[in-house]
Amino acid sequence: AQKITQTQPGMFVQEKEAVTLDCTYDTSDPSYGLFWYKQPSSGEMIFLIYQGSYDQQNATEGRYSLNFQKARKSANLVISASQLGDSAMYFCAMRDSGGFKTIFGAGTRLFVKA
Amino acid sequence: DVKVTQSSRYLVKRTGEKVFLECVQDMDHENMFWYRQDPGLGLRLIYFSYDVKMKEKGDIPEGYSVSREKKERFSLILESASTNQTSMYLCASSFTQGIDNSPLHFGNGTRLTVT
Repeated sequence: AQKITQTQPGMFVQEKEAVTLDCTYDTSDPSYGLFWYKQPSSGEMIFLIYQGSYDQQNATEGRYSLNFQKARKSANLVISASQLGDSAMYFCAMRDSGGFKTIFGAGTRLFVKA
Repeated sequence: DVKVTQSSRYLVKRTGEKVFLECVQDMDHENMFWYRQDPGLGLRLIYFSYDVKMKEKGDIPEGYSVSREKKERFSLILESASTNQTSMYLCASSFTQGIDNSPLHFGNGTRLTVT
């Protein structure tokens, strides 16, 4: 069965520093997509970044990058130069090639300190 | 911009009531989803639909049903609400299936309290 594991319930980071949010996944499907979403306190879910299982390079979107290690089945989100507005819940998610389902991890709450 | 609109931000219902949660999207997406979000559990898929009148069970369908009579609208129904259905409910839509990079687009959520 597919599974997403986020082992950090909460993380603190100093403003302007980089932070890594961990995500490991489990699937037997050779083709899959990995997503990260941000949920601020307002509740909306915001798509941040995508990594395909066959992508040769790690995905980047502005201050967000994905440290994709396929053999270890990990897809960690790196946020560079943290800002106060980055304080939010972050979810790692996976969708396989066979279906419509996207499964989510339990999330990591990030606190950015001034 | 894709807009997914959930009809209520907050709902309070009594045990045993029939509850309807409505979701409308305006981007002609084929796929629509209902998730519930609980602390420490993340988002769990209740039901999804890939076409009008089509529905598929997700991971936790018990106690829920859905209706999709029009492409833009996907309703979640709690036939007889129970206190363990108190949760945040999130509706989402997406353009297509598979491993493409099409993300889910979410509504703002409905926080349901069953007393």
